Amino acid sequence: QQQVKQSPQSLIVQKGGISIINCAYENTAFDYFPWYQQFPGKGPALLIAIRPDVSEKKEGRFTISFNKSAKQFSLHIMDSQPGDSATYFCAASSHGNQFYFGTGTSLTVIP
Amino acid sequence: SAVISQKPSRDICQRGTSLTIQCQVDSQVTMMFWYRQQPGQSLTLIATANQGSEATYESGFVIDKFPISRPNLTFSTLTVSNMSPEDSSIYLCSVVLGPENEKLFFGSGTQLSVL
Repeated sequence: QQQVKQSPQSLIVQKGGISIINCAYENTAFDYFPWYQQFPGKGPALLIAIRPDVSEKKEGRFTISFNKSAKQFSLHIMDSQPGDSATYFCAASSHGNQFYFGTGTSLTVIP
Repeated sequence: SAVISQKPSRDICQRGTSLTIQCQVDSQVTMMFWYRQQPGQSLTLIATANQGSEATYESGFVIDKFPISRPNLTFSTLTVSNMSPEDSSIYLCSVVLGPENEKLFFGSGTQLSVL
């Protein structure tokens, strides 16, 4: 059973546009929701993370929106750049225990 | 964050052989994890490497196939034994850091191809 569901599987965005990736979860015990960015041939890199006590967290062009009642969270990449082209994974964990990953979104930003 | 070094970065191996992947962390960590990422897929936890005790394996993974060593708080190895083409994947070492051990960091991975 997929603990974290991620969509879309792939995304193509024009340079300067907004990229939006969505994730949903069921387990209300999850208390930490990170996003990872992975370039080909590299390991996933922690990009940004949020806890359920806030509804939004912003770091530069990257924003997480969190809806606790809907059990959904999303990653917004503002002013998307070709260098943002990568695979993005959402994840969830409870008290630092096992991390559950989404299936990934392949983002392509067209110049 | 942590600097996590994995060796080798990639390898091409013959069916039936074994490969040992090394993971070195630049700081002492309590728990180290090994993940597998099959082509175009998400990340699957293989096992948790515990210092001073046997590794804890997830469902579908067994010690005979994926023996793990954890001799100290900065180093671990994962061996992929008796390899088959189905073992072709990226293998990732990872550690948790942070005041509540909530942040998971990954090494650069080992790209394994089995012929």
